[in-house]
Amino acid sequence: QVQLVESGGDLVKPGGSLRLSCAASGFTFSDYYMNWIRQAPGKGLEWVSYISDSGTTIYYGDSVKGRFTISRDNAKNSLYLQMNSLRAEDTAVYYCARDTLGGVDYWGQGTLVTVSS
Amino acid sequence: DVVMTQSPLSLPVTLGQPASISCRSSQSLEYSDGNTYLNWFQQRPGQSPRRLIYKVSNRDSGVPDRFSGSGSGTDFTLKISRVEAEDVGVYFCMQGIRVPYTFGQGTKLEIK
Repeated sequence: QVQLVESGGDLVKPGGSLRLSCAASGFTFSDYYMNWIRQAPGKGLEWVSYISDSGTTIYYGDSVKGRFTISRDNAKNSLYLQMNSLRAEDTAVYYCARDTLGGVDYWGQGTLVTVSS
Repeated sequence: DVVMTQSPLSLPVTLGQPASISCRSSQSLEYSDGNTYLNWFQQRPGQSPRRLIYKVSNRDSGVPDRFSGSGSGTDFTLKISRVEAEDVGVYFCMQGIRVPYTFGQGTKLEIK
């Protein structure tokens, strides 16, 4: 079955950096676009970024553009999110989610990023 | 960006009674391929979101048939025919017609 397992969340100071990972299994990772989506504590869902199956097409939400970088390693069935210049408002649970035509289907369990001094 | 607006935001329901959640988009979600890309997700307490419905009315595998989706263009509805205790959680609509994907604010379903 499809499994997505995020890791890398931590407590980091404002201005700091963090790299999240998502390990995929149960499907052919290289055939799918992938997304990062976040949820601030007690809040709704915010789409963060999207990467095509080959990694050649990438989009970011306006709130993270220029600070976050999405990437993937199809040989390792892994998705990444490099987060720089972190702000308090980046505090959230970050989910990786498999893209499908018309949105997303499977989500990981999430990893918590806390930005605080 | 496509703005998604849900109502109500809080939904107390008696066990065994029906429930209905509305979702409106600021633009039509009908794509040039003729499909309408509106999804519904359930997020139980402490869990990650689970997709229930895709393309307005298609139930995902394993989703009970008491869940149904309907609508077109910019107006959509998720219905639960008879609410069970396991249905407690937050329900989100999401548009998948273009990035940035956007979500409704969420509707919190609780048992009265």
